[in-house]
Amino acid sequence: TQLLEQSPQFLSIQEGENLTVYCNSSSVFSSLQWYRQEPGEGPVLLVTVVTGGEVKKLKRLTFQFGDARKDSSLHITAAQPGDTGLYLCAGEYNYGQNFVFGPGTRLSVLP
Amino acid sequence: DTGVSQDPRHKITKRGQNVTFRCDPISEHNRLYWYRQTLGQGPEFLTYFQNEAQLEKSRLLSDRFSAERPKGSFSTLEIQRTEQGDSAMYLCASSSTVAGANVLTFGAGSRLTVL
Repeated sequence: TQLLEQSPQFLSIQEGENLTVYCNSSSVFSSLQWYRQEPGEGPVLLVTVVTGGEVKKLKRLTFQFGDARKDSSLHITAAQPGDTGLYLCAGEYNYGQNFVFGPGTRLSVLP
Repeated sequence: DTGVSQDPRHKITKRGQNVTFRCDPISEHNRLYWYRQTLGQGPEFLTYFQNEAQLEKSRLLSDRFSAERPKGSFSTLEIQRTEQGDSAMYLCASSSTVAGANVLTFGAGSRLTVL
């Protein structure tokens, strides 16, 4: 059974601070995705990482896939209130036929 | 861009009633997924379809739950004899390939409250 853990579960920071959230598993995934979800809405894809060691940047967000393709991190530089939300990581397995989600990191950025 | 549509967005029902949710995926996506999400948790897999074939069902999907995708287009998720523990957000997603990986596009979800 594939399981993903995320840490921290909750994070409350001031605008302008930097933060990193982590996604860990004992399983190897074909790819790993990060989604952001706002209250009452479905998750929205931020990025997909496919190759071990891969780093992708999306404006102030930096995503890294672990060398063994079992873990990932999301780093946000100079957080803004608009970054507030639930950040979910999801691992693709079974040759892309299915996805398992972590429990999420709930981020609150205070102005 | 039609996206993934779900209906209804909200449903309040009494325990013991049946409810049905509908999902219209992005038209060119062959795979369609149903997930359930409770407050403060990540989405939990329920079932998925490749075209009209239901290829996998979670153990979470009890006998009271049934899903169909009759013509490989829209899908329905029915819950019979609802229980309070069924209260959750039911998310539908369809998948596409981006940069060599399959990714999910979600609908806005159908929130079920069982009184």
